[in-house]
Amino acid sequence: GAVVSQHPSRVICKSGTSVKIECRSLDFQATTMFWYRQFPKQSLMLMATSNEGSKATYEQGVEKDKFLINHASLTLSTLTVTSAHPEDSSFYICSARSTGGRVIQYFGAGTRLSVL
Amino acid sequence: AQSVTQLDSQVPVFEEAPVELRCNYSSSVSVYLFWYVQYPNQGLQLLLKYLSGSTLVKGINGFEAEFNKSQTSFHLRKPSVHISDTAEYFCAVSGSISNFGNEKLTFGTGTRLTIIP
Repeated sequence: GAVVSQHPSRVICKSGTSVKIECRSLDFQATTMFWYRQFPKQSLMLMATSNEGSKATYEQGVEKDKFLINHASLTLSTLTVTSAHPEDSSFYICSARSTGGRVIQYFGAGTRLSVL
Repeated sequence: AQSVTQLDSQVPVFEEAPVELRCNYSSSVSVYLFWYVQYPNQGLQLLLKYLSGSTLVKGINGFEAEFNKSQTSFHLRKPSVHISDTAEYFCAVSGSISNFGNEKLTFGTGTRLTIIP
């Protein structure tokens, strides 16, 4: 089956630093990748849709200058949390949809971000 | 736009008993429906999906779900649960291919299934 690798699985950083999270589709090409945020005991909230070679589309209320998304190739998208603060602490999950199918999203294992 | 309602936030079930996790959706367009499972500190794994055809769909780990268009429901069922089924379960909906632009997944709030030994 389709595999999506997300790295790192956990990161702890100081307030004010930037953190980059990588999302890779290992055995398929992904034209579209999605970034979600999940608060404890809550559902996934879509942050942005990332399309290869073009600018990401952000959901209402998500600061694009805060959460920088780059989708430079068909197998890699990155999310950079700039100048992270404690309120950015959360579980971030990416998903990828293959070029051949626009239906199913395959999810990474998530990244637990803790900002001190 | 679509929305998903999972009425039960927590469902405790004894081991080897049957379980049903409820999911209702609303949409102005035709939809695809999904159930995902999330184990602690992990991403989501696709359990099953309804795209078209038979309304009864079978997934991994012995789960199945039935699409009921008239009741706008997509309840998840398993005839006999195991300790390893303890996890969070999310129902999700997206617009179908014919409704380009509505293909984002909308998730329900999740149901915590706890299996009691």
